Amino acid sequence: EDQVTQSPEALRLQEGESSSLNCSYTVSGLRGLFWYRQDPGKGPEFLFTLYSAGEEKEKERLKATLTKKESFLHITAPKPEDSATYLCAVQAVPAGTALIFGKGTTLSVSS
Amino acid sequence: GAVVSQHPSRVICKSGTSVKIECRSLDFQATTMFWYRQFPKQSLMLMATSNEGSKATYEQGVEKDKFLINHASLTLSTLTVTSAHPEDSSFYICSARVSTTSTDTQYFGPGTRLTVL
Repeated sequence: EDQVTQSPEALRLQEGESSSLNCSYTVSGLRGLFWYRQDPGKGPEFLFTLYSAGEEKEKERLKATLTKKESFLHITAPKPEDSATYLCAVQAVPAGTALIFGKGTTLSVSS
Repeated sequence: GAVVSQHPSRVICKSGTSVKIECRSLDFQATTMFWYRQFPKQSLMLMATSNEGSKATYEQGVEKDKFLINHASLTLSTLTVTSAHPEDSSFYICSARVSTTSTDTQYFGPGTRLTVL
């Protein structure tokens, strides 16, 4: 059964304190792994798609990496505005298959 | 970027009434849209896949006669909650699929908060 597990469930950081969020997955055939950011009461905002092991993508203070079993979202020198829930999702082959979401990691960054 | 809108953003209705939620892709065409439901502190649960010009595909446990989906054009999908009851109160989110030869991404709308009294 395809499955996505995110850890930790919640993470509290001080401003400037770098850390990583984990997303481990099992899927029959990976088409893509997605990271989204969700603010309270809002829809998920697309951040990254990773397609193959070894791939890395960056956006401002965020960097996503992918291995054959897991993905990491590294947050460098976070700011309070980075506080949100970060969702990981996988898409199995074939194309057009629905996303399978993890439960998310809620990040709180205090100044 | 790919922008998806939803209307209304919030709706409060009485038990037994029907509510329609619209999902629009504003700057692109989407042959496939998805409808999700999210409970507090929970992740997104896929309800159904909506394909333009054909019947929606519902996930196991989702009543197709209660949650009517219509994808009448390449930019609009609607979800109608029929005879709504308090247990239908939730946050409903749609997404639209953007697919190329090398990428396949879902962009989400801002969500609709439904409260059934």
